[in-house]
Amino acid sequence: GESVGLHLPTLSVQEGDNSIINCAYSNSASDYFIWYKQESGKGPQFIIDIRSNMDKRQGQRVTVLLNKTVKHLSLQIAATQPGDSAVYFCAENSGGSNYKLTFGKGTLLTVNP
Amino acid sequence: SAVISQKPSRDICQRGTSLTIQCQVDSQVTMMFWYRQQPGQSLTLIATANQGSEATYESGFVIDKFPISRPNLTFSTLTVSNMSPEDSSIYLCSAAGAITEAFFGQGTRLTVV
Repeated sequence: GESVGLHLPTLSVQEGDNSIINCAYSNSASDYFIWYKQESGKGPQFIIDIRSNMDKRQGQRVTVLLNKTVKHLSLQIAATQPGDSAVYFCAENSGGSNYKLTFGKGTLLTVNP
Repeated sequence: SAVISQKPSRDICQRGTSLTIQCQVDSQVTMMFWYRQQPGQSLTLIATANQGSEATYESGFVIDKFPISRPNLTFSTLTVSNMSPEDSSIYLCSAAGAITEAFFGQGTRLTVV
């Protein structure tokens, strides 16, 4: 069936470096994508979202890029900090406004001081 | 975004018993959902909690095992019935409104012994 997947299950970076977390999706009908951050023992926390009519969206230290041609989504974190260490999930809404999301497998980001 | 409160935050239960998890949102939302997150894995949607009517279950989840209520726009419960060790997981409540992204509670960590 349709699924969302990630290229790398773990990512280790040095503090101050930029991080890039990738996600592939297979449902061409998906029109809304969200990146979540999940720290240990907590629920997923919204980071940034993007709709399919956009290819880039920027937030505070984060940028999401959407390439619909190859069904690829990425999250870029600038000047990564130890507090950014967490599992990052991409999620897609495959149509409609019901916010029913399909989640990717997750990437564990570790920031080394 | 609104705040979601889930309780209990964790519990250890005997197999064969049932546990009801409560989810309270501090503002009216359109959609409420229940997800399961097994240890070290991603989130899987159990069902959409519909106000005043039966929940809509995803493939692999049935009402007899996971009865759900949503008596109003801000409150929902999920019951995990006749529990077995395989039900040990984190259960997450999610909510979304017409103009707000899907946000999550802190989750309920369930251990079945």
